[in-house]
Amino acid sequence: AQKVTQAQTEISVVEKEDVTLDCVYETRDTTYYLFWYKQPPSGELVFLIRRNSFDEQNEISGRYSWNFQKSTSSFNFTITASQVVDSAVYFCALSEARTSGTYKYIFGTGTRLKVLA
Amino acid sequence: EPEVTQTPSHQVTQMGQEVILRCVPISNHLYFYWYRQILGQKVEFLVSFYNNEISEKSEIFDDQFSVERPDGSNFTLKIRSTKLEDSAMYFCASSEGGASTDTQYFGPGTRLTVL
Repeated sequence: AQKVTQAQTEISVVEKEDVTLDCVYETRDTTYYLFWYKQPPSGELVFLIRRNSFDEQNEISGRYSWNFQKSTSSFNFTITASQVVDSAVYFCALSEARTSGTYKYIFGTGTRLKVLA
Repeated sequence: EPEVTQTPSHQVTQMGQEVILRCVPISNHLYFYWYRQILGQKVEFLVSFYNNEISEKSEIFDDQFSVERPDGSNFTLKIRSTKLEDSAMYFCASSEGGASTDTQYFGPGTRLTVL
């Protein structure tokens, strides 16, 4: 069965520290997509990144970087020089193929990141 | 930039009442979804909708739930007789296509509180 595990329920760091959020997934699909979403205290889901299963190149966007390792089924997210505004819950998600042809997202339980000033 | 919108942002209702949550997907999108997030828990898939019919639904989506696209722009989720456990954040999402290459864009959510 498809599954996404975010073992870290809550992380606290001091501003300017680097922090890595872990995500491990399980799927039988050979083609799949992985996502990270940010949920700030206001509650909306903010799309951060999508990565397909054939592209294992690491990606960097400003202070954010993602490390996709197919061999360990992990898609970790690192924030460099964290800021208070990074405080949020971060969700990792996997798109699951359905027999109907549409896709649903399987979300992890989220990691709450607190960045202290 | 086009975005998914949802109304209301917060709905308070009495147990047993019917509620309708409204969503306006991105205009050229053809696939629509509802997800639910009970407070402090993960986001869970409820239903997907395409071509005016349900494509897929989860075990959560029982007979008290229904979805509809009443006109060319709105996509609604109706809960016929709300229960306390229906209290959650409900997210609408839409995508241009239904393939894995199509990113689902989420609305800001409607927080439903059932008293």
